[in-house]
Amino acid sequence: EIVMTQSPATLSVSPGERATLSCRASQSVSNNLAWYQQKAGQAPRLLIFGASTRATGIPARFSGSGSGTDFTLTISSLQSEDFAVYYCQQYNNWPPWTFGQGTKVEIK
Amino acid sequence: EVQLVESGGGLVKPGGSLRLSCAASGFTFSSYNMNWVRQAPGKGLEWVASISSTSSYIYYADSVKGRFTISRDNAKNSLYLQMNSLRAEDTAVYYCARVSGQLLSRDFDYWGQGSLVTVSS
Repeated sequence: EIVMTQSPATLSVSPGERATLSCRASQSVSNNLAWYQQKAGQAPRLLIFGASTRATGIPARFSGSGSGTDFTLTISSLQSEDFAVYYCQQYNNWPPWTFGQGTKVEIK
Repeated sequence: EVQLVESGGGLVKPGGSLRLSCAASGFTFSSYNMNWVRQAPGKGLEWVASISSTSSYIYYADSVKGRFTISRDNAKNSLYLQMNSLRAEDTAVYYCARVSGQLLSRDFDYWGQGSLVTVSS
């Protein structure tokens, strides 16, 4: 089973600042990695697939990068609606499809 | 508009059973692979089960294997999760989620709003 490890667990950022979230896989997942955003009381929403492709309707301030075992989600200028929990997920080696434990982006 | 609507959650005693349903609309349900993903209170996301578009391929997480059964009825545009021998640790919000594209090696592009299952005496 591929273990996904996200860091940091919590990221405190001021509105308008840049946020950088990391995700590491225990073995290579190529570019078969997705990022999801989950706000309190809501279902997860797909942000990025293929490590770097934004899903439909996702603003350009969200960008993904990386390949193999190390991945990054960058939010270039945080808006109030971006404060949420973010999960990475690998879909290269399955089953199981595995998620990271999440990074909470909170207001500083 | 793609919509996934779960139902069937509730309170059940340990050892009991429950059947979740997910009604799909806004897309050709029979062409897509589907999943169940759960989230325990205050915890992260855990994949539970996956079923291919024609039900030919079915996979389960080790934590539910032998107790849960995923199925689908393409004529009714519906996905199901039969949960037996429920344990306290199965308490979670259960989401149905669509796999994007035609392969299982893809992301989950649409999610339902979730159905809460509470296992407690």
